[in-house]
Amino acid sequence: DAKTTQPNSMESNEEEPVHLPCNHSTISGTDYIHWYRQLPSQGPEYVIHGLTSNVNNRMASLAIAEDRKSSTLILHRATLRDAAVYYCILRGMGGGSEKLVFGKGTKLTVNP
Amino acid sequence: GAGVSQTPSNKVTEKGKYVELRCDPISGHTALYWYRQSLGQGPEFLIYFQGTGAADDSGLPNDRFFAVRPEGSVSTLKIQRTERGDSAVYLCASSWTGTGTDTQYFGPGTRLTVL
Repeated sequence: DAKTTQPNSMESNEEEPVHLPCNHSTISGTDYIHWYRQLPSQGPEYVIHGLTSNVNNRMASLAIAEDRKSSTLILHRATLRDAAVYYCILRGMGGGSEKLVFGKGTKLTVNP
Repeated sequence: GAGVSQTPSNKVTEKGKYVELRCDPISGHTALYWYRQSLGQGPEFLIYFQGTGAADDSGLPNDRFFAVRPEGSVSTLKIQRTERGDSAVYLCASSWTGTGTDTQYFGPGTRLTVL
């Protein structure tokens, strides 16, 4: 599975935008970029995913670099509830792609 | 609607004992996954079911770990002769089909402590 690199931790203030980076220089052409997050004492939850184009949903936006070697998860206005560990995960489409391969993720702290 | 549920939420056992952890997936989801999460680490894949069959069990650490899903819905993760190193949060997830873009929905986990 292709590897991703994320900062260990980031800090933000409430109601400010947050940009969470992810590097995936060995991404293959069929790998999707997925983001999950894990709130304290909960299981991970899906945030967003994309292939080549930028994506928006009610939770966040995903900006994907033109060469696809990096991406950024954007929380437009952080709230205290967004404090979590954010995982950037690559998933292919072939056999073996069913499982999620988690790294250590980025722990986001949101200050009031 | 109901999400993925796991029981028990906490399990404390003694070294050498046998434990069973249960997962109730979202109704209609054909794919079911087990992960294990140690403190400070991301979840680590254990096994994936498609229907009743284990399609990928490459993450099971050794033969003390076994999982079943006899009717294609509820799954049980079984650990024999537990060791202190088995202490972790065991997470279950389910999804509609199991394909690479399919969203996985996670349960709250079972915290296993082996004394």
